[in-house]
Amino acid sequence: GENVEQHPSTLSVQEGDSAVIKCTYSDSASNYFPWYKQELGKGPQLIIDIRSNVGEKKDQRIAVTLNKTAKHFSLHITETQPEDSAVYFCAAGGTGGFKTIFGAGTRLFVKA
Amino acid sequence: GAVVSQHPSRVICKSGTSVKIECRSLDFQATTMFWYRQFPKQSLMLMATSNEGSKATYEQGVEKDKFLINHASLTLSTLTVTSAHPEDSSFYICSAGASDRDNEKLFFGSGTQLSVL
Repeated sequence: GENVEQHPSTLSVQEGDSAVIKCTYSDSASNYFPWYKQELGKGPQLIIDIRSNVGEKKDQRIAVTLNKTAKHFSLHITETQPEDSAVYFCAAGGTGGFKTIFGAGTRLFVKA
Repeated sequence: GAVVSQHPSRVICKSGTSVKIECRSLDFQATTMFWYRQFPKQSLMLMATSNEGSKATYEQGVEKDKFLINHASLTLSTLTVTSAHPEDSSFYICSAGASDRDNEKLFFGSGTQLSVL
C-alpha cells in the first residue's frame, strides 16, 4: 500500500522567511497530492493540491511542486506570517476510489 | 470550497454510554465519507470508509461493533461509539469526497473531541 513520509516534523521560522515542507510517497499509481492545514482543535483545511500531470502550482504565498520520477512533492510558503503557524499535512491519493494516505504532519511555528 | 459540518464539537460522557457524532455535507452530495481518529500531535488515522446505502468498510484493527457507522443519505454519515471507555477518548474527524474528478478531493469536518470519564 501507499506510504507517505513527511519532513521535518517541526519547523520554526522568523516572520517573513520562507518555509518548506517535503514529502515522499511510495505508490507510483498515486496521482493526487493535497496539502492540509490544521489549527489546534479544528479539522484539516485543504490549502492547495496538485495532480500528477502538473509539476508546479501556486496560489498567492503558497506553492507546491511535484517530482513524479522521484516520487516527492513539497510545500513552499513565502513571506510567512504568525497566522501560518499550524500543523501541515501532506497526502497522496487518487481517482477511482484511491485511499488518501496522510503524512505524519509538520508543526510550523512562525515567530513574530 | 465545499462545507462539511460535524457535531458535536465536544462531548464528555461517562464510561459505558454511547455517543453519536454526525457529519453532514452542506452544499454537495457525498457518496463516500471517511472517519478518522487523531491522537494529540499525531496524524489522522483512517478508521473506516462510509458508503451511502451500504455497509462501511473498516480499517484493520478497528472494531466495527464498537464504532458503528451509518450513511443513510447522500449528505449524512454518523459514527456511534458504543459503550465508550476512557481509551476511546480522542479527536474524531470526518471527511467527505466532493465530486471533483472522481471524488479525490476531501473536505473535513471541524472534529469532535470525545472525553470519556
